[in-house]
Amino acid sequence: KNEVEQSPQNLTAQEGEFITINCSYSVGISALHWLQQHPGGGIVSLFMLSSGKKKHGRLIATINIQEKHSSLHITASHPRDSAVYICADGLTFGKGTHLIIQP
Amino acid sequence: KAGVTQTPRYLIKTRGQQVTLSCSPISGHRSVSWYQQTPGQGLQFLFEYFSETQRNKGNFPGRFSGRQFSNSRSEMNVSTLELGDSALYLCASSLGVRPSGELFFGEGSRLTVL
Repeated sequence: KNEVEQSPQNLTAQEGEFITINCSYSVGISALHWLQQHPGGGIVSLFMLSSGKKKHGRLIATINIQEKHSSLHITASHPRDSAVYICADGLTFGKGTHLIIQP
Repeated sequence: KAGVTQTPRYLIKTRGQQVTLSCSPISGHRSVSWYQQTPGQGLQFLFEYFSETQRNKGNFPGRFSGRQFSNSRSEMNVSTLELGDSALYLCASSLGVRPSGELFFGEGSRLTVL
C-alpha cells in the first residue's frame, strides 16, 4: 500500500508570494494527481502527471519518479488560491495542505 | 458537456438503516471511482469500476458495496449504517482505467447518520 505524505500541513502566506507544496510517496506509481478543494466545495483536478513538469496558468507541477517526490508551485499567489491541495495516486491520498493567502 | 452528477446531495439516516448513492459520470467516461471523505481520515478510496467490473476495492467492511451499470452509471450502498459512516461520499469519473485518465469529481453526497 502506498504511503502519501504532504508538507506542509498548513501554510499561510501573503498575496503575491511563491508557494510550494510537497508530496512524497513510498511505492512507485504510474501517475500522480494534484487536486484542489475549496471550503464547502467540490474537488477539482489540477494536474495528472507521470513525469517531468506541467504548467497551467500560475500553477506548476513537477514530479521526480526516481525520488518518489512531486511538488506543486503557485506563482503570484492570490486570495482565491486559498484552498486545500491534495496529492494522490488515485487510490491513496495525502492528508492535504491547507493554504491561506492573505491580501 | 455535463459534469459528474451525484444524487442525493444531502441525506440523513439513522443507525441500522441502509443507503444507496448514485453517480452519473461524464458522457463517454467508463471508469467510476468512489471515495469517502471525513475530517479525521481525509479522502479514502472505496471502489473503482470500469465497464461494469470492479477493478479495485479499498479497505472498507463488506457493508459497503457498489456496482456499475451498462450505461456507466454507478451506485454504492451502505447497509446497517453506523455513526462513523457520516461523511461526504464523492465519486469521480475518467475516460480510462487508473492510472490513465484525469479524475473528474462530483459535488458529493453528504450523509449524516443519527
